[in-house]
Amino acid sequence: DAKTTQPPSMDCAEGRAANLPCNHSTISGNEYVYWYRQIHSQGPQYIIHGLKNNETNEMASLIITEDRKSSTLILPHATLRDTAVYYCIFPYSSGSARQLTFGSGTQLTVLP
Amino acid sequence: DGGITQSPKYLFRKEGQNVTLSCEQNLNHDAMYWYRQDPGQGLRLIYYSQIVNDFQKGDIAEGYSVSREKKESFPLTVTSAQKNPTAFYLCASTQRGDTQYFGPGTRLTVL
Repeated sequence: DAKTTQPPSMDCAEGRAANLPCNHSTISGNEYVYWYRQIHSQGPQYIIHGLKNNETNEMASLIITEDRKSSTLILPHATLRDTAVYYCIFPYSSGSARQLTFGSGTQLTVLP
Repeated sequence: DGGITQSPKYLFRKEGQNVTLSCEQNLNHDAMYWYRQDPGQGLRLIYYSQIVNDFQKGDIAEGYSVSREKKESFPLTVTSAQKNPTAFYLCASTQRGDTQYFGPGTRLTVL
């Protein structure tokens, strides 16, 4: 299972791009990286996932380095509602279940 | 709108009581999950079900029970055997692959 390292906190000005890094140097060749976020006292929200190509959807972009040892989640125009804890996750198998392990994540604070 | 609903949002329980948390989804997902989250902690898997009438224990199943009689519903009962039930409970579902979609959560407090 890939181990992830994320900065504990980051600030971003409203309207600017938020770039959230994640190091995952132990990733294996077939592991997808997933990003979720959790706003205080709410359920986690799926954002995006990718294997090796950069991905973009209506919420964010995901940039994965060529060696796949790190990735960056980009929120192109952060708003106050994007303030949340962001998690970089690698699903793993435990028994017959695929589990998501939410570590400590990065607390993103969008400032007005 | 398709999604996952959990009720109630807040639940208070006296010691020794069993309580049941509701989880319903209209996403037509086969698999459903229950997680527990403690303050400042990650999620821990309680139970999961990959198909109707079948479910499996997760990492912390002791003191909990579930049923899966319908595809849309996966209720969780917190029994009196659960010694420290105060936590935030999250239900999730997935169709295939690893993308799990979560409900809004139920915050359970033991008085």
